[in-house]
Amino acid sequence: NAGVTQTPKFRILKIGQSMTLQCAQDMNHNYMYWYRQDPGMGLKLIYYSVGAGITDKGEVPNGYNVSRSTTEDFPLRLELAAPSQTSVYFCASSYRLPSGRYGYTFGSGTRLTVV
Amino acid sequence: AQKVTQAQTEISVVEKEDVTLDCVYETRDTTYYLFWYKQPPSGELVFLIRRNSFDEQNEISGRYSWNFQKSTSSFNFTITASQVVDSAVYFCALSENRDDKIIFGKGTRLHILP
Repeated sequence: NAGVTQTPKFRILKIGQSMTLQCAQDMNHNYMYWYRQDPGMGLKLIYYSVGAGITDKGEVPNGYNVSRSTTEDFPLRLELAAPSQTSVYFCASSYRLPSGRYGYTFGSGTRLTVV
Repeated sequence: AQKVTQAQTEISVVEKEDVTLDCVYETRDTTYYLFWYKQPPSGELVFLIRRNSFDEQNEISGRYSWNFQKSTSSFNFTITASQVVDSAVYFCALSENRDDKIIFGKGTRLHILP
């Protein structure tokens, strides 16, 4: 298993450009998440999904869009990049068993700079 | 609403000292999960522990120990005999049973001085 794979690892965008951050997991996890981490700060939830076809907003969804057409993929779209979106973006996935056991797996992050 | 507070923004201790990182949480759920993650300078998030709300037993793993107290809504993390490699940002996090999303505290930056 590769776990959670994020691409690209680094990206520089100009103001107003668009891009998609890719996230894929091969663990058949139902739940997937996007977080952003601003310099020196904690992680804030952008969007999450409890399964294919279902997405919901987190704490800081403005300026982003997501889709979940398959269990494996959860891309994050920035339509009009702004300097305030300079951050490190983490994707994560999780599973829950009826017994209550579950675990989270995080990707290695995408460092995005908007200039 | 769920909330995680890590009041200590930054801590510096000399190597081999013990250090405790505080975490206080708020939740309306009776079933929830608490986590600690480590973020070394390389930037990845390293899972350390998950504790569910029904298990108040303290946990020890090597030099790491966790003290979960529901009465004070705290889940503190202690490193015994700290080492320079323990230098990192440590995050406490909470997940409620209703929707699984994790809410993170702002983190505590720990410096272990040689």
